[in-house]
Amino acid sequence: GAVVSQHPSWVICKSGTSVKIECRSLDFQATTMFWYRQFPKQSLMLMATSNEGSKATYEQGVEKDKFLINHASLTLSTLTVTSAHPEDSSFYICSAAYNEQFFGPGTRLTVL
Amino acid sequence: AQSVAQPEDQVNVAEGNPLTVKCTYSVSGNPYLFWYVQYPNRGLQFLLKYITGDNLVKGSYGFEAEFNKSQTSFHLKKPSALVSDSALYFCAVRDIYNQGGKLIFGQGTELSVKP
Repeated sequence: GAVVSQHPSWVICKSGTSVKIECRSLDFQATTMFWYRQFPKQSLMLMATSNEGSKATYEQGVEKDKFLINHASLTLSTLTVTSAHPEDSSFYICSAAYNEQFFGPGTRLTVL
Repeated sequence: AQSVAQPEDQVNVAEGNPLTVKCTYSVSGNPYLFWYVQYPNRGLQFLLKYITGDNLVKGSYGFEAEFNKSQTSFHLKKPSALVSDSALYFCAVRDIYNQGGKLIFGQGTELSVKP
């Protein structure tokens, strides 16, 4: 149990386009989901906390208008990277909270 | 402020030898501590956690961790390392001031187990 999926697992896009990443809790309901960003061989950087039915709480330094988060249901949160640029290329990981956090497999975003 | 530190960027161990991955924490109040493992291009997998109770916590894949309050440490251990244990390991503490259970991660330690 406690499986979290992410889609897509990898995506390549052109600079200036927007990319949507989905995070789903498959066998439990999660009122809270988290979005992280990770650079190679580095720790996870929390970007935002997503609560079902309310606005996301962003960490300091994370642009709300660039990284749009929607938590429409208890099993789905989405992260949209708007007007992506090469510096947005990274590994994005979500987690869903059910007693403790369960992590998705991550999404590799490459912006050309 | 709450924090965790992993003093070693990399740990090298020979297969069959015991391994230790170090973690120290700084929290106010009782800590909720976690260990996660990450394989290349994958998300994090939960290994074990300490909330309360016995100081020695047993987790997945033969790993265990010892909570030491006086030394504010939560080192991850395994009696006999496998090559397949090679991965990136993260210690984390739950932010008790965040209702959603936000985790604060250490820097990560890369474990390399050689045959």
